[in-house]
Amino acid sequence: DVKVTQSSRYLVKRTGEKVFLECVQDMDHENMFWYRQDPGLGLRLIYFSYDVKMKEKGDIPEGYSVSREKKERFSLILESASTNQTSMYLCASSQGGGFYGYTFGSGTRLTVV
Amino acid sequence: AQKVTQAQTEISVVEKEDVTLDCVYETRDTTYYLFWYKQPPSGELVFLIRRNSFDEQNEISGRYSWNFQKSTSSFNFTITASQVVDSAVYFCALSEMGAQKLVFGQGTRLTINP
Repeated sequence: DVKVTQSSRYLVKRTGEKVFLECVQDMDHENMFWYRQDPGLGLRLIYFSYDVKMKEKGDIPEGYSVSREKKERFSLILESASTNQTSMYLCASSQGGGFYGYTFGSGTRLTVV
Repeated sequence: AQKVTQAQTEISVVEKEDVTLDCVYETRDTTYYLFWYKQPPSGELVFLIRRNSFDEQNEISGRYSWNFQKSTSSFNFTITASQVVDSAVYFCALSEMGAQKLVFGQGTRLTINP
């Protein structure tokens, strides 16, 4: 079964910590995405990558960075976590353009205290 | 600019009722794709359907049906004879041809009460 795997289901971190959220896909997909999900705001795109070492800013990149050293792995980094980054984070992958649709991971619920 | 609006934030119905989730989209492209995803309590968004802009035929899959109307820029989703297992957050999404990403609506939380 094809999968997008996010390393943690729940995380609790302290304000100011550096946080890494990991995502791995086994489908040889070109594109990978990080979204943030908040009540009433839907899914908002943070960053995406269409190739190894390539990245593009999404709609809300401030406070985040990403890394894609290998095709199958896409990491989201919170350089200095803040309480307003408490959210559900969803990783997705796609084999090409958006018209293919996405395969999603199960999400990481991050709480910053 | 592309935009997807799901005006219904939350819907609650009793089991076996029919329910329709609304989705209105905006795009300047003539070629685009529309999607519906289901997010159960487990958190993972699950693909339900993809429809391209040239195919306005309605689609039925079991208790699920989709009504695509370009004239009103809507892609509505109906669940017939709802069941408790249908409780989830449902997202509508749009991708313009050539775009790398999807644009999502705000989501509709559907609760089916026994």
